[in-house]
Amino acid sequence: SQKIEQNSEALNIQEGKTATLTCNYTNYSPAYLQWYRQDPGRGPVFLLLIRENEKEKRKERLKVTFDTTLKQSLFHITASQPADSATYLCALEGYGGATNKLIFGTGTLLAVQP
Amino acid sequence: EAGVTQFPSHSVIEKGQTVTLRCDPISGHDNLYWYRRVMGKEIKFLLHFVKESKQDESGMPNNRFLAERTGGTYSTLKVQPAELEDSGVYFCASSQHLGTDTGELFFGEGSRLTVL
Repeated sequence: SQKIEQNSEALNIQEGKTATLTCNYTNYSPAYLQWYRQDPGRGPVFLLLIRENEKEKRKERLKVTFDTTLKQSLFHITASQPADSATYLCALEGYGGATNKLIFGTGTLLAVQP
Repeated sequence: EAGVTQFPSHSVIEKGQTVTLRCDPISGHDNLYWYRRVMGKEIKFLLHFVKESKQDESGMPNNRFLAERTGGTYSTLKVQPAELEDSGVYFCASSQHLGTDTGELFFGEGSRLTVL
């Protein structure tokens, strides 16, 4: 069955450093991949979408890579700030882009220390 | 512009009772989704409406769950009778486009359901 793995351990980094979060998947060929941010008690908030034919996508301090051979996506936050502290969710869609039926990972908690 | 709104934010009921959750999507969004997160697990898809039609309800756990979207506007998700394992956070999301057009889902804040 399809499986998505995100690092379940919290990632603690110092302010100003680059945070790198990993999303691995198996038994799957996603048409695209998304990253969301979720704060405690809130709903997920969309950050970035990257398509299967794209290697890299950037948005301000955020960068996402997508390696369909390794079946892995990396999510980078450069010059991290305490306000970046949140849970980051990876989500895949594998129906040729015909739906937004997403399969989510469990998320990785990022804590940026001042 | 208002985002996706969900009501109630938190509901505590006893096993066997009925609960109805409501979702108002962003105006003009034809696509409406229900997702659920149970304790310690990932967010999972329940179903997808396109306007008033159920496009995909493959994620609905069993026939105790009933979702409707009359008139293609707001949606309700009813759980009857509720069981302990139904406890969790129910998220509603909407989108204007599908898939790779924009792909972005707008989520509500969720309705937390606690079944005692």
